[in-house]
Amino acid sequence: QQPVQSPQAVILREGEDAVINCSSSKALYSVHWYRQKHGEAPVFLMILLKGGEQKGHDKISASFNEKKQQSSLYLTASQLSYSGTYFCGTGGGADGLTFGKGTHLIIQP
Amino acid sequence: DVKVTQSSRYLVKRTGEKVFLECVQDMDHENMFWYRQDPGLGLRLIYFSYDVKMKEKGDIPEGYSVSREKKERFSLILESASTNQTSMYLCASTLQGLQQPQHFGDGTRLSIL
Repeated sequence: QQPVQSPQAVILREGEDAVINCSSSKALYSVHWYRQKHGEAPVFLMILLKGGEQKGHDKISASFNEKKQQSSLYLTASQLSYSGTYFCGTGGGADGLTFGKGTHLIIQP
Repeated sequence: DVKVTQSSRYLVKRTGEKVFLECVQDMDHENMFWYRQDPGLGLRLIYFSYDVKMKEKGDIPEGYSVSREKKERFSLILESASTNQTSMYLCASTLQGLQQPQHFGDGTRLSIL
């Protein structure tokens, strides 16, 4: 079953913050986050494996709440280069990922 | 850097044709995957393979088959192409383990006329 992402789309001005949520009706053991720019392949951002785990690099970070079966991706002081579609994926390993439908992020100057 | 190469960027075929999409990875990854991507639906898993000659059905395998004769190559086959198989197809590979990221190819945009 696909995880549910929210919002479906968001438009920001450069420098504003954004939060993208990913929730599942099934127990989560890992959450992957990817970003895809138009016409390009999805690019790996980060994986969270443990409940309560938080990760980040640069101004993009994520948290994983195992009990709530959800993960959130935080984009701080957004840059134009952050524009794209963000996907969360659950599962992983040899069985592949079940991706959400994606969140379209548009950053305007 | 991991390189996942899909044989065609764009492909146009006719209804009823047998279509082959090829994917090659150069990092000795055990696991390989085929997804299709449609607007508003995200990426959906068609088939995956965790070893040579091994294959498992994903979420939407109907109308597709796969072949993995060599570790580095994973082929997706549309036995008799139909218009509802017009889509973007993405191949990915990964090492074993939940903590391993998936590496994607650039995709093949397939149109069935």
